[in-house]
Amino acid sequence: KAGVTQTPRYLIKTRGQQVTLSCSPISGHRSVSWYQQTPGQGLQFLFEYFSETQRNKGNFPGRFSGRQFSNSRSEMNVSTLELGDSALYLCASSLGLLASQRYEQYFGPGTRLTVT
Amino acid sequence: QKEVEQNSGPLSVPEGAIASLNCTYSDRGSQSFFWYRQYSGKSPELIMSIYSNGDKEDGRFTAQLNKASQYVSLLIRDSQPSDSATYLCAVRGGGSYIPTFGRGTSLIVHP
Repeated sequence: KAGVTQTPRYLIKTRGQQVTLSCSPISGHRSVSWYQQTPGQGLQFLFEYFSETQRNKGNFPGRFSGRQFSNSRSEMNVSTLELGDSALYLCASSLGLLASQRYEQYFGPGTRLTVT
Repeated sequence: QKEVEQNSGPLSVPEGAIASLNCTYSDRGSQSFFWYRQYSGKSPELIMSIYSNGDKEDGRFTAQLNKASQYVSLLIRDSQPSDSATYLCAVRGGGSYIPTFGRGTSLIVHP
């Protein structure tokens, strides 16, 4: 079974621009989460989607947004980029959110975003 | 604010030894616990999940959970140089269902 895929893998943007990152989950997985990883803050949760609905949101400003499509693919958008947004952005998929389902998350390779 | 604490290390063990990685968490209502391995420059890889008190074994890995002490650990038996990586503890459940990751413990297995 193919793993989680993320595009693009690397991105360089200028401060003030916006960026859209894409994630395709493992086939059959309905939940997609996004994380930001930096050396200073570690792995931090951005948001989680299930069946096209945002179910959980981390403590990030409104410049960070996301969505999920009917095929479970997800995108995240960062507007008005700041230098501090430079990070590895990771997408993770899991089967679902219900208590009876497994919460194990499988990460994609990530998108390395550099803001100059 | 839910917190997950790990010793940053590095933890250095000789090849063939048992590596013991520890994690404590602050939210007593946490329900799901995970260990991930992350090699330098790569994304995290799920090793183990554990949901109830006690031990769970998978090959050379054993996860141990003690909810009363709010403590979860990962034991790696017969450690190999290829186990050298950063190990992340993740916790979910409780007051908010947001997954919280520890900062990770760097493990070095030397030949």
